[in-house]
Amino acid sequence: NAGVTQTPKFQVLKTGQSMTLQCAQDMNHEYMSWYRQDPGMGLRLIHYSVGAGITDQGEVPNGYNVSRSTTEDFPLRLLSAAPSQTSVYFCATRGRGGNEQFFGPGTRLTVL
Amino acid sequence: GQSLEQPSEVTAVEGAIVQINCTYQTSGFYGLSWYQQHDGGAPTFLSYNGLDGLEETGRFSSFLSRSDSYGYLLLQELQMKDSASYFCAPNRDDKIIFGKGTRLHILP
Repeated sequence: NAGVTQTPKFQVLKTGQSMTLQCAQDMNHEYMSWYRQDPGMGLRLIHYSVGAGITDQGEVPNGYNVSRSTTEDFPLRLLSAAPSQTSVYFCATRGRGGNEQFFGPGTRLTVL
Repeated sequence: GQSLEQPSEVTAVEGAIVQINCTYQTSGFYGLSWYQQHDGGAPTFLSYNGLDGLEETGRFSSFLSRSDSYGYLLLQELQMKDSASYFCAPNRDDKIIFGKGTRLHILP
């Protein structure tokens, strides 16, 4: 079992470009979340989903879109990248009623 | 509203004991989790408290007081490999919010 996978591991974008960060899990977990981590800011929740077809905004949703068409995948879309979106992005999953959240390895994004 | 407070940095000596405190305020709270993150890595789950009291897992223990909206992580017999950031995270049914974390420095 791969657990939680994220692609790409590293990405450099120019301001205004769009891209999708991929997150996939084979743990059959209902809950999936996206966090960003910046120095000194901890982990901030961007968007989350409690099941296929259901998404909701977290603490810092502006500039990001998500969709959840399947249980396994939860892509994060940057429609028009900005330097302020330079960060490390983590995807995480959790089973319904579970207490432990499992994190992917992260995507390191730089926006020039 | 929602708030989460933990010290930004803590320093301790190898072999000693250290306590990292956490105070929180969040709606829909049902438990408190702790995560560890080494530099360059992803957060990993350490412990969870759903009820008041102490939970022990090896060298690590975690405590929760719901009435005080307070918890702590206790690390015993500190090892150099425990140098990392530690996050408390109030669990809600639908989402988990993290704070800024506590950076633990361990001196030899």
